Amino acid sequence: KEVEQDPGPFNVPEGATVAFNCTYSNSASQSFFWYRQDCRKEPKLLMSVYSSGNEDGRFTAQVDKSSKYISLFIRDSQPSDSATYLCAMSGAMDSSYKLIFGSGTRLLVRP
Amino acid sequence: DGGITQSPKYLFRKEGQNVTLSCEQNLNHDAMYWYRQDPGQGLRLIYYSQIVNDFQKGDIAEGYSVSREKKESFPLTVTSAQKNPTAFYLCASRWGENYGYTFGSGTRLTVV
Repeated sequence: KEVEQDPGPFNVPEGATVAFNCTYSNSASQSFFWYRQDCRKEPKLLMSVYSSGNEDGRFTAQVDKSSKYISLFIRDSQPSDSATYLCAMSGAMDSSYKLIFGSGTRLLVRP
Repeated sequence: DGGITQSPKYLFRKEGQNVTLSCEQNLNHDAMYWYRQDPGQGLRLIYYSQIVNDFQKGDIAEGYSVSREKKESFPLTVTSAQKNPTAFYLCASRWGENYGYTFGSGTRLTVV
């Protein structure tokens, strides 16, 4: 598989820190993203992942291109964070801009 | 507001029937994509188009066809040759390499 992602589910108490990881095989991948997908809904872009890492509130995303994995951390998790989280990355050095997705990790945050 | 509109939201297909899923965007994006998602699985690429009047097969194009006559529109036809069409179909568009996809709300297709 081009992208490997732990399917979970992750079942954590409210307030926990959660970490999601994806490993990928294509060293040509240049752009990376995390999506959130609620049950029976479309994926929605959560964060782009920059080489220097980036943070948005309780969410932090990182990429390690030498080891070929990307990470998403959620601090102080809330029940409203319960969803499936998908990683995505560009698949090739071409102009198609198509993304390859992981299979998603389900998260359940217990109140 | 700019976005992607998919219709219908739910679609039922009889055996041997072709059906067409609509995807329209007003984001002025050149690149558009069709994905299929099966329960508990990730997204698999069916077809994509980078420019009007041009499109390319993705990983699972067999049994599907598309057209791209206008920048705003990228309809997907699920033909009778697709033996297992029951799935959640997602249309997406993208501005460029450094930007993620914008998805439509999806069409849930069921064979009856």
